[in-house]
Amino acid sequence: DAKTTQPTSMDCAEGRAANLPCNHSTISGNEYVYWYRQIHSQGPQYIIHGLKNNETNEMASLIITEDRKSSTLILPHATLRDTAVYYCIVRGFYGGSQGNLIFGKGTKLSVKP
Amino acid sequence: DTGVSQDPRHKITKRGQNVTFRCDPISEHNRLYWYRQTLGQGPEFLTYFQNEAQLEKSRLLSDRFSAERPKGSFSTLEIQRTEQGDSAMYLCASSSTMTSGGGETQYFGPGTRLLVL
Repeated sequence: DAKTTQPTSMDCAEGRAANLPCNHSTISGNEYVYWYRQIHSQGPQYIIHGLKNNETNEMASLIITEDRKSSTLILPHATLRDTAVYYCIVRGFYGGSQGNLIFGKGTKLSVKP
Repeated sequence: DTGVSQDPRHKITKRGQNVTFRCDPISEHNRLYWYRQTLGQGPEFLTYFQNEAQLEKSRLLSDRFSAERPKGSFSTLEIQRTEQGDSAMYLCASSSTMTSGGGETQYFGPGTRLLVL
């Protein structure tokens, strides 16, 4: 079972920031938080990941709470092309059996004009 | 860097036929994963390779499924005697265990969509 809880769906106005929450209260010390998204009929696309510090790249920012039990993915200026299902995944560092990704149902983000 | 590629992108077959899918990972990625995704669900892990060795198989991978990665580069996933329940998107992902910075990021291909009639 997925170790994360996400809202089923969210709406966001085009040009505004989209803030997608994720709860992972059972995360352990060596587990990372990964975010992927999947646009209809395509393969999942990697967005960002982090361990305990906040992270930013050209796509998004990841804010992880100090106790690491929750995180928020921020898309600073959402566009219509950001409409997708967003998956928050907790995953061990060492890969393999601890590292295959376990996807939940994700959050369906709809960006509206 | 051309990304992960998969072939074919779509496959329609009749029940009972065998099908084979191919995945070409990102160059020099030593790990390769196969996932299956049915409608409305997130991807589910099937199996993974480190170089040419198949290190883990999920319980979802029945006897009719076999995967290979003979030279540690591309991989094939074969389904024998297909059933209607095999209809799904089959996704391949690759990663490297030798990147710095922590974590092992998997990059996905576009998937092969299988329909069994």
